[in-house]
Amino acid sequence: DTAVSQTPKYLVTQMGNDKSIKCEQNLGHDTMYWYKQDSKKFLKIMFSYNNKELIINETVPNRFSPKSPDKAHLNLHINSLELGDSAVYFCASSQDMRLPTSGELFFGEGSRLTVL
Amino acid sequence: KNQVEQSPQSLIILEGKNCTLQCNYTVSPFSNLRWYKQDTGRGPVSLTIMTFSENTKSNGRYTATLDADTKQSSLHITASQLSDSASYICVVKTGAGANNLFFGTGTRLTVIP
Repeated sequence: DTAVSQTPKYLVTQMGNDKSIKCEQNLGHDTMYWYKQDSKKFLKIMFSYNNKELIINETVPNRFSPKSPDKAHLNLHINSLELGDSAVYFCASSQDMRLPTSGELFFGEGSRLTVL
Repeated sequence: KNQVEQSPQSLIILEGKNCTLQCNYTVSPFSNLRWYKQDTGRGPVSLTIMTFSENTKSNGRYTATLDADTKQSSLHITASQLSDSASYICVVKTGAGANNLFFGTGTRLTVIP
């Protein structure tokens, strides 16, 4: 029973294409996130949704558009893909947006995007 | 500026040996510090959390320390196993909300037989 699952695990596509990554969590958490991990393994937050509402939108090109149909799902759509978008994208969830005391994030297994 | 720096960047050790990973931070105010383990091709998983009042905490062969005065934490791995090969990421939390999490770039540990 995977807690945070994301698909696809691997995505190879051409520049200029549009692609989506889906994420689902079965932990009953209120808050979900998208993180980008670059080639140097640095994790950077992109978006955060709390109960379907966008609460964090870091400096990310507007080619990236998250969508949360319900609090258990957070999808990421990327338009007009560029070479620099190649990275591993991680979905994560937490109990709520305040990350109370513990501040633990539960991550999915990642989606490796390669733009050719 | 809030930063988290980890050292070494990478480390190779023989199976059975001990090692220590370092995390130095300038994050303020400090809420807690968490160590994550990220296996290759997987997402990070929490190993342990250190709060301001805790100096040492063990989780099996993993022992984390925290010196809030010098803003340093370490993760000591005892009797390393091949399965310890992974990236170890230090994350420091300040205040509330996900944009108050500061990630280190991680230490890549390789345990060889």
